Order: sequence, then structure tokens, then C-alpha cells
Amino acid sequence: SYVLTQAPSVSVAPGQTARITCGGDNIGSKGVHWYQQRPGLAPVLVVNDDYERPSGISERFSGSNSGNTATLTITRVEGGDEADYYCQVWSDKSSDHMIWVFGGGTKLTVL
Amino acid sequence: QVHLEQSGAEVKKTGASAEVSCKAAGFTFSAYFMHWVRQAPGQGLEWMGVINARTGRTTYAQKFQDSITMTTDTSTKTIYLQLRTLKSADTAMYYCARSTGTAGRFDYWGQGTLVTVSS
Repeated sequence: SYVLTQAPSVSVAPGQTARITCGGDNIGSKGVHWYQQRPGLAPVLVVNDDYERPSGISERFSGSNSGNTATLTITRVEGGDEADYYCQVWSDKSSDHMIWVFGGGTKLTVL
Repeated sequence: QVHLEQSGAEVKKTGASAEVSCKAAGFTFSAYFMHWVRQAPGQGLEWMGVINARTGRTTYAQKFQDSITMTTDTSTKTIYLQLRTLKSADTAMYYCARSTGTAGRFDYWGQGTLVTVSS
């Protein structure tokens, strides 16, 4: 089955840039979506289809995807950005049937 | 305004069944695909399956093939997740989410329903 690999945690000081990566076999050929989940709340879509930003999401959030790595970048990090972040792709490989896959999640800590 | 309202928390005994509902509002229900996502305590997100809100056609993750059933009621704009033969490992928050097409992003989520399974 298709596997997405995320680092368990990333720490960054306020005002700095956080980069959260998502690794997968030839992930660059897939559309990647990113979700933010604050404690006790449902996930929120922050980037879809590699780099598109949904309405209402800060321009500080951006995404890229190439080769075997997709990246969520958060510039000018604020305390309110502290959350778990998940990447997601849709896989239609015959061995995987038709499924959605989430990465294991990365906890962003703002120092 | 798009809103997904889920049913309340449930406590079940091991071996019992549970049903979680997700009522949609603010959009054309039959035009979308609806998903269920599980999150065990302290763990990550796990996709369970998807249902075509109009036709009721389903695709389940292989892991859940034998233990869940998803259904839709277009008259009430509600989807349901039935969980069978519950185990303690099924204790989790269950979320419904909307996508535009089976490959689309999950753009709106319900608030989650906690199902607790104990002996």
C-alpha cells in the first residue's frame, strides 16, 4: 500500500519559517492536500492540490510537490500555528484499490 | 453556509454495534462524496471509506471492509456509519468530511463523534 512519511515533530521560533515535509514514492505525480488540526478540533484544509490555498487561509501557508517529497511551508510562524499537520493523497494503484492515504502527522511546536 | 453536524458521543460494550450520523446543510448534498475518517486517542488520521451521497455507492479501506457499513439518506441529507462487532481498539473520534469527487480535497469536516468501547 502507498505510504506517506512525515517527521513526528518540527519546532520553530515565532516569526521564523516552518517547513513540514511529506515523503512518498513519486509523490510529485500526485495531488497533495494538507490539513491543520489544533488540539480538540476537527482538521482544517490549509493547502490543496499541492499549492492551492482555500478561501480564508492565510497567505503564510504555501505548498510545493516534486519528486518524492511534498512540502508545506509556513512563513512568519505565530503561536496560533501550533498544531498537528497531515498530508494526504489519493491513490488509485491497482494494488491499493482506490483509497485515500494520510501521513502520520507532524506536530508543529512554536518555541 | 456549509455545515456537517454529527451525532453525539456513544459508549458501547465490546461486541456491540454503533451508528454515527452526519447531517449536511448549506450545499447540494447529492453532488458530493462523503468520507469517514477515524482518529484513535493520540494518533493520526485514518481514512475509512467514501460514499457517493447520491447513489450510495461505497468504497471502503481494506482494513474496514468487514466491520463497517456506510449508507446515505438523500431525503434528510444524512450519511451514516455503522460499526459492527466493536473492540476496544475502535475507541476513537470519528469524523465525516466532504469531498468534490472521489479524488478531491476534504474541504469541510464534521465536529467529530467520540465512540468509546469498553468491556
